Amino acid sequence: DAGVIQSPRHEVTEMGQEVTLRCKPISGHNSLFWYRQTMMRGLELLIYFNNNVPIDDSGMPEDRFSAKMPNASFSTLKIQPSEPRDSAVYFCASSLRPTLSETQYFGPGTRLLVL
Amino acid sequence: DAKTTQPPSMDCAEGRAANLPCNHSTISGNEYVYWYRQIHSQGPQYIIHGLKNNETNEMASLIITEDRKSSTLILPHATLRDTAVYYCIVRVDNAGGTSYGKLTFGQGTILTVHP
Repeated sequence: DAGVIQSPRHEVTEMGQEVTLRCKPISGHNSLFWYRQTMMRGLELLIYFNNNVPIDDSGMPEDRFSAKMPNASFSTLKIQPSEPRDSAVYFCASSLRPTLSETQYFGPGTRLLVL
Repeated sequence: DAKTTQPPSMDCAEGRAANLPCNHSTISGNEYVYWYRQIHSQGPQYIIHGLKNNETNEMASLIITEDRKSSTLILPHATLRDTAVYYCIVRVDNAGGTSYGKLTFGQGTILTVHP
């Protein structure tokens, strides 16, 4: 298995531009998580999907952030418009089921820099 | 969820055992102890988890005190590749309820393995 796949691995954009991050979970996994990591705030959960349905989006910072999961093998995290404070590493993770006893497998992350 | 306390950093000589402590004095009876680690520039990686009994897998051992207020992650023969940030996480695993595998990461312990 290729593991969780994220693209792009690096993204540099200018303030105000739209940014779309992509994630392909491990085949057969029903739960998908988006995390953001910064030096100041550490690793924090943004949104969680179960069976393609958003269950908990309480971590999404503001309306500029949106996430979709149109099917079991693809999810996007969009920032529009982007701001310099959005610069961070964004991780996608998936697990077989939503319970914590199931290991969450993380992707390599997307390093976003907003100038 | 119970809060965890970990030392900010630790050193270990290559080939020796690395013992990483975690305090979770407010843990409740149905909360599990989980350990993840994050090697530089990579996504977090699951290591091990347990409820009350000691656990061992191919990566590490987890020792949980009888009162469950603290635990120790043991890497029996640390290598340079074990240099990483180690996160101790406490969370309810409610497979039959509405809870899900939300991971709340703290600051973790930076383990540096020296030659």
